[in-house]
Amino acid sequence: GAVVSQHPSRVICKSGTSVKIECRSLDFQATTMFWYRQFPKQSLMLMATSNEGSKATYEQGVEKDKFLINHASLTLSTLTVTSAHPEDSSFYICSASRPYSGAADTQYFGPGTRLTVL
Amino acid sequence: KQEVTQIPAALSVPEGENLVLNCSFTDSAIYNLQWFRQDPGKGLTSLLLIQSSQREQTSGRLNASLDKSSGRSTLYIAASQPGDSATYLCAVSGNAGNMLTFGGGTRLMVKP
Repeated sequence: GAVVSQHPSRVICKSGTSVKIECRSLDFQATTMFWYRQFPKQSLMLMATSNEGSKATYEQGVEKDKFLINHASLTLSTLTVTSAHPEDSSFYICSASRPYSGAADTQYFGPGTRLTVL
Repeated sequence: KQEVTQIPAALSVPEGENLVLNCSFTDSAIYNLQWFRQDPGKGLTSLLLIQSSQREQTSGRLNASLDKSSGRSTLYIAASQPGDSATYLCAVSGNAGNMLTFGGGTRLMVKP
């Protein structure tokens, strides 16, 4: 159990367009989801924390108007990269926190979405 | 602000060797520490999770230790195999369900 999916797995778009990435917890309800960005050969950097039914909390330096996050249900969070530019090209990974899971409040990670902006 | 450092950044070993990956963190007030594996272009696979009250966890050929007071963790891989080649990331959590702070990772190459 505890599977997290992301869609799409890969997207290529033109500069100036918007791209939506979905993160779903398939077999559990996730009150909190996290969005990370990973540049080539670098580690994961947290972008924002998303709680169901409330506004996301963004990390310092992350533009909330550019990276729109919607956590509409307990199993779905979306990240929309608005007016994407080549510097937004990155690997975006989401994770979902499973509440009250006993001793380990583990975050379960999605497989990631590779965004390439031309 | 929590900072996590992993040493070495890259490691190449022949098949069969036992090896140790190191992780250090600056703020000892952690809830738990996790070790992940990431294959190129893929997401993360959780390997081991150590609660702050624990000192080690084992899974197969993997053993992770935690010394919370000194801000250190090690991941021990026994009898390494080419299939172990990947990037290994450690991450610490400040409290239950909170954000994870990741280290820079160790890129491991196990040569046949």
